[in-house]
Amino acid sequence: EAGVTQFPSHSVIEKGQTVTLRCDPISGHDNLYWYRRVMGKEIKFLLHFVKESKQDESGMPNNRFLAERTGGTYSTLKVQPAELEDSGVYFCASSPPGITGATGELFFGEGSRLTVL
Amino acid sequence: AQSVTQLGSHVSVSEGALVLLRCNYSSSVPPYLFWYVQYPNQGLQLLLKYTTGATLVKGINGFEAKFEKSEPSFHLTNPSAHMSDAAEYFCAVSGIRAGNQFYFGTGTSLTVIP
Repeated sequence: EAGVTQFPSHSVIEKGQTVTLRCDPISGHDNLYWYRRVMGKEIKFLLHFVKESKQDESGMPNNRFLAERTGGTYSTLKVQPAELEDSGVYFCASSPPGITGATGELFFGEGSRLTVL
Repeated sequence: AQSVTQLGSHVSVSEGALVLLRCNYSSSVPPYLFWYVQYPNQGLQLLLKYTTGATLVKGINGFEAKFEKSEPSFHLTNPSAHMSDAAEYFCAVSGIRAGNQFYFGTGTSLTVIP
């Protein structure tokens, strides 16, 4: 069974440019999460999808970040325009339907490292 | 509100020695507690978790953690470090009232010296 896959693994862009990160969850996992880790700091929650619906987007930093999950399969996270402070590792995680993140296991991708110059 | 504090961003131990990674947390609701591990060039994977029941929980590769409500803490231990244990370890907390959010600590990088 394929795990959570993320693309690209590393992206280097200049301030003001746009970047789109993609996450393919494990097949059948309705829950999809985005997290971000700024260097040396904690992994912070960004948002949670249940199928194609945004369940919780309270962690999204500002309106330069846009997440979508059309059709309830893969998800994209777009940063437009990117700022220096957006640099970090963006993790995607998924979990099966019917199991909340509170008690269940999250399956993580390897992360997408974003560097904004 | 939930928060997690991991003491020590870097820990070095000799091969065969005891591993102790500290995690303190605050939670306004009964917590669910987790340790995740990230090996180089891999995603985070669950090492062990506490939800209810026995306060000493065992995970993979000899790791275990004890839920201490009085502190409160969820320290991770391994009686004998192996070279393959070198990784970054993240403590996390969540709770029913927090919805589906996990709150992670800043991570502890474990180095095992041969």
